[in-house]
Amino acid sequence: AQSVSQHNHHVILSEAASLELGCNYSYGGTVNLFWYVQYPGQHLQLLLKYFSGDPLVKGIKGFEAEFIKSKFSFNLRKPSVQWSDTAEYFCAVNVGDTGRRALTFGSGTRLQVQP
Amino acid sequence: GAGVSQTPSNKVTEKGKYVELRCDPISGHTALYWYRQSLGQGPEFLIYFQGTGAADDSGLPNDRFFAVRPEGSVSTLKIQRTERGDSAVYLCASSLGDRVNEQFFGPGTRLTVL
Repeated sequence: AQSVSQHNHHVILSEAASLELGCNYSYGGTVNLFWYVQYPGQHLQLLLKYFSGDPLVKGIKGFEAEFIKSKFSFNLRKPSVQWSDTAEYFCAVNVGDTGRRALTFGSGTRLQVQP
Repeated sequence: GAGVSQTPSNKVTEKGKYVELRCDPISGHTALYWYRQSLGQGPEFLIYFQGTGAADDSGLPNDRFFAVRPEGSVSTLKIQRTERGDSAVYLCASSLGDRVNEQFFGPGTRLTVL
């Protein structure tokens, strides 16, 4: 079974700092990749997704992620964070060549942006 | 438009009791998913419906858990003989069509088993 690792459990940054959150998965076949965000008191929302094509994916609110197949990674980046980016971020993977639709999530990274 | 809704938002029950959790997906979404999220963890897949049928129930932890979607819209997750370890936030999501697509999540039901 596939697994998803998010090694940074809690990240604290100052406003305007750059952000990179790591995500690694274990499946060797075709994958579909997602980053979801959960703002305080809100439900999970999609930030961005990768299915195929350009491995550099741009999402909402200035976020982007890069799929590096050789490293089994899909790291999330933002050049300059804002206080409003304080949230929990989840990486998720779907195995694309099995017909399954389930997402496997990482354990999440809590981002705290200090003003 | 309306998003995925879940009721109740909170449910407190006693060990051994039966509970039902309801999910109303986004109108027109044929795919519906249930996940469970324990404290400090990411959501964990339970079951996936395409239309009325359970296309993948491989995530259900044991036979105390059951879910239905009789008319292809609303779904109910049923837990029999609840245990303290069942305490978690139960999330429902829906998506368009039968291909992999963005899953839209509801606010969840927080289940506490005393």
